[in-house]
Amino acid sequence: AQTVTQSQPEMSVQEAETVTLSCTYDTSENNYYLFWYKQPPSRQMILVIRQEAYKQQNATENRFSVNFQKAAKSFSLKISDSQLGDTAMYFCAFGDYKLSFGAGTTVTVRA
Amino acid sequence: EAQVTQNPRYLITVTGKKLTVTCSQNMNHEYMSWYRQDPGLGLRQIYYSMNVEVTDKGDVPEGYKVSRKEKRNFPLILESPSPNQTSLYFCASSYRATEKLFFGSGTQLSVL
Repeated sequence: AQTVTQSQPEMSVQEAETVTLSCTYDTSENNYYLFWYKQPPSRQMILVIRQEAYKQQNATENRFSVNFQKAAKSFSLKISDSQLGDTAMYFCAFGDYKLSFGAGTTVTVRA
Repeated sequence: EAQVTQNPRYLITVTGKKLTVTCSQNMNHEYMSWYRQDPGLGLRQIYYSMNVEVTDKGDVPEGYKVSRKEKRNFPLILESPSPNQTSLYFCASSYRATEKLFFGSGTQLSVL
């Protein structure tokens, strides 16, 4: 079975500062894909960033970047220069056809 | 506009009364899937479909049925709903399972 662990239920960050969300997973597969999705209060699910497990280079998307450590099965998300609009629940996910999500981390950006 | 349309957005029903939540996408996506979201558990995959007439179980398929008779539609059927199926449900689609998922707006289901 595939499992995803997000160990931080809630995090708070000052506007313009940096926050890092942790994610670890467990799988016996070698090829898979990893994602971070954002769910703002509107409850709409939005892709933040995607990483291919066979690529060593960490994915970046504007202010969002990941630290992917395949051997450690770790996939953390860094949000730089946090903005009020980043306030949301963030979900880590991995897999291929079968996709497993973590329980989520609620991020609150303070003005 | 490219989108995944889920209906209804809210539904209150009683135990045992069959219901269907519809899902339709207009992006010609091959892959579609259903999830339920519960507090403290995140999203859990119920069923997925890699293409027309091809469906498979996710992590929590018990009590649910799906069908994929045409590419654009992927309804979720609860033959005999029970209170433990009270949840927020999302349908999603993508060109391939490994690509970005496009999510519907969600269906909040309450089974009394």
